[in-house]
Amino acid sequence: GAVVSQHPSWVICKSGTSVKIECRSLDFQATTMFWYRQFPKQSLMLMATSNEGSKATYEQGVEKDKFLINHASLTLSTLTVTSAHPEDSSFYICSAGGAYSYEQYFGPGTRLTVT
Amino acid sequence: AQSVTQPDIHITVSEGASLELRCNYSYGATPYLFWYVQSPGQGLQLLLKYFSGDTLVQGIKGFEAEFKRSQSSFNLRKPSVHWSDAAEYFCAVGGNTGTASKLTFGTGTRLQVTL
Repeated sequence: GAVVSQHPSWVICKSGTSVKIECRSLDFQATTMFWYRQFPKQSLMLMATSNEGSKATYEQGVEKDKFLINHASLTLSTLTVTSAHPEDSSFYICSAGGAYSYEQYFGPGTRLTVT
Repeated sequence: AQSVTQPDIHITVSEGASLELRCNYSYGATPYLFWYVQSPGQGLQLLLKYFSGDTLVQGIKGFEAEFKRSQSSFNLRKPSVHWSDAAEYFCAVGGNTGTASKLTFGTGTRLQVTL
């Protein structure tokens, strides 16, 4: 199957700083990418959907100014958590889907800890 | 709005016993249905999916699931569980849009396997 990578796999940052997470599709062109957040022992919640070259569509309750999503190429999407706070600590997972495909492929996730 | 219910938060089975994990969905049309497995601190691995056609779908690792439209269910089964199957299992529903669409996940079922 298609491969999606995330970098970094884990990151610790201080409260008030920003952190960027990368999601890459390694062997296919990802026209659509999704960002999910998973709190400990909870399910995945969709944060936003991004289509290459377009602005991301955020789910209700997700602050677009806090979680900046860029999908500038068909192989890379980035999520920047701005002015991070301890409550932003979570497991962030991206997924990617190609054109004319029903499937999406998940990255391995990034664990963010804000101190 | 689409939704997924996994009524069992935690299930314990003995190695070699059969397994059934329940999943009920709500979706306005014919859904795309998925089962994923997640080991602690890891990303998601797709076990199987249903898009159309035969309502009994086979997946990896000996898993199967049956789509029952009349019951709005997509239960996951395995005839003989192995200790390595211990993990968190998520059922998800996506839109029948022809391309990768956002997924709504259930709350997950944690499977424990006793030896």
